[in-house]
Amino acid sequence: KQEVTQIPAALSVPEGENLVLNCSFTDSAIYNLQWFRQDPGKGLTSLLLIQSSQREQTSGRLNASLDKSSGRSTLYIAASQPGDSATYLCAVFNQAGTALIFGKGTTLSVSS
Amino acid sequence: DVKVTQSSRYLVKRTGEKVFLECVQDMDHENMFWYRQDPGLGLRLIYFSYDVKMKEKGDIPEGYSVSREKKERFSLILESASTNQTSMYLCASRGLKDRRSGEFFGPGTRLTVL
Repeated sequence: KQEVTQIPAALSVPEGENLVLNCSFTDSAIYNLQWFRQDPGKGLTSLLLIQSSQREQTSGRLNASLDKSSGRSTLYIAASQPGDSATYLCAVFNQAGTALIFGKGTTLSVSS
Repeated sequence: DVKVTQSSRYLVKRTGEKVFLECVQDMDHENMFWYRQDPGLGLRLIYFSYDVKMKEKGDIPEGYSVSREKKERFSLILESASTNQTSMYLCASRGLKDRRSGEFFGPGTRLTVL
């Protein structure tokens, strides 16, 4: 059964730092992997989607990488800002699956 | 842009009431999903639907039912609400023809059962 783990559970950094959020999954037979952002009390906003055949995706200050063979993905945030404070969720879509399987998220706090 | 809307942002109900949560998507997506999100437990799949009138149980279907009479609308029903169903409920959709595009989520409904 696919399991998704995100480390750390919480992270606090000063503004301007570059940071990395980690996601690992136990079954490498995935179709794609999606990173989401969730603000308190709100829904999920998709940040980046990586297909299983891709190694990375970039959007602005965000870069997500995927190493399917080792079951790992990282979300790199450059030059962090207080507005980046949120919970970041990683989710995988299995090749034989029908719905996303989520990690429990990393809650990021960026102080000014 | 895909838009997924949910009928209420906040809902307060009493134990034993029948509760309807509505979700509508505007991208002609075949697949629709209902999740609940709880602190420490993350997102858990309640039910999903892969087509009109078709449904499948997710990981935690007990106490819930669903209805999909039209392609764009997926309803979650709590037949007799209980306090342990107090949670954040999230609806999502995904296109079958373009699985590469990922899942799109609504804004969520925060349900409190008293």
